[in-house]
Amino acid sequence: DIQMTQSPSSLSASVGDTVTIACRASQSISTFLNWYQQSAGKAPKLLIYVATTLQSGVPSRFSGGGSGTDFTLTITSLQPEDSATYYCQHSHSTPYTFGQGTKLEIK
Amino acid sequence: EVQLVESGGGLVQPGGSLRLSCIASGFNFSIYWMSWVRQAPGKGLEWVANIKRDGGEKYYVDSVKDRFIISRDNVKNSLYLQMDSLRDDDTAVYYCARGWWLHDFWGQGTLVTVSS
Repeated sequence: DIQMTQSPSSLSASVGDTVTIACRASQSISTFLNWYQQSAGKAPKLLIYVATTLQSGVPSRFSGGGSGTDFTLTITSLQPEDSATYYCQHSHSTPYTFGQGTKLEIK
Repeated sequence: EVQLVESGGGLVQPGGSLRLSCIASGFNFSIYWMSWVRQAPGKGLEWVANIKRDGGEKYYVDSVKDRFIISRDNVKNSLYLQMDSLRDDDTAVYYCARGWWLHDFWGQGTLVTVSS
């Protein structure tokens, strides 16, 4: 099975800041990488798929990058509503494992 | 509006069984792969299983193989997860999600608690 490792596990930033979350796969997954946002007590929400494609309705301050084994999620101009846990998930082959999550706190 | 509504969760003893249901509305259910994803209390997300449009292909995470069965009824716009031989570590919120290799809509989840 492909393992997904995110870093950092948590971070704190201020409104207006830019943050980057990293996700590493245990083997090459091309660009079969999705990002989700989960606010407290809510279901996850798809943000980005195939590494760089923004899901419809997601603000353009979210962006994804990478290929192979190393990927990033960047959020610019942080807003209070961005406080959430972010997960990467590969979709290369089953099981489609998730990273352990990165909790983002907005100061 | 796309909606996915799960039901069937509850408290069950180790070794017991539960059947989860997910009713879909607002889209053509029969043309989408569907998935189950779970989340243990305070933990991250775990992909559990998915099923092809016609039910002809099914895939599972190793930890539930031979214990869980995913199925669907395209006439009833419903997705199911039959869970047998439940263990303590199956305790989680179970989400129904649309899609095969990405999940663009999710239900609100149903809590399954396995405890004696």
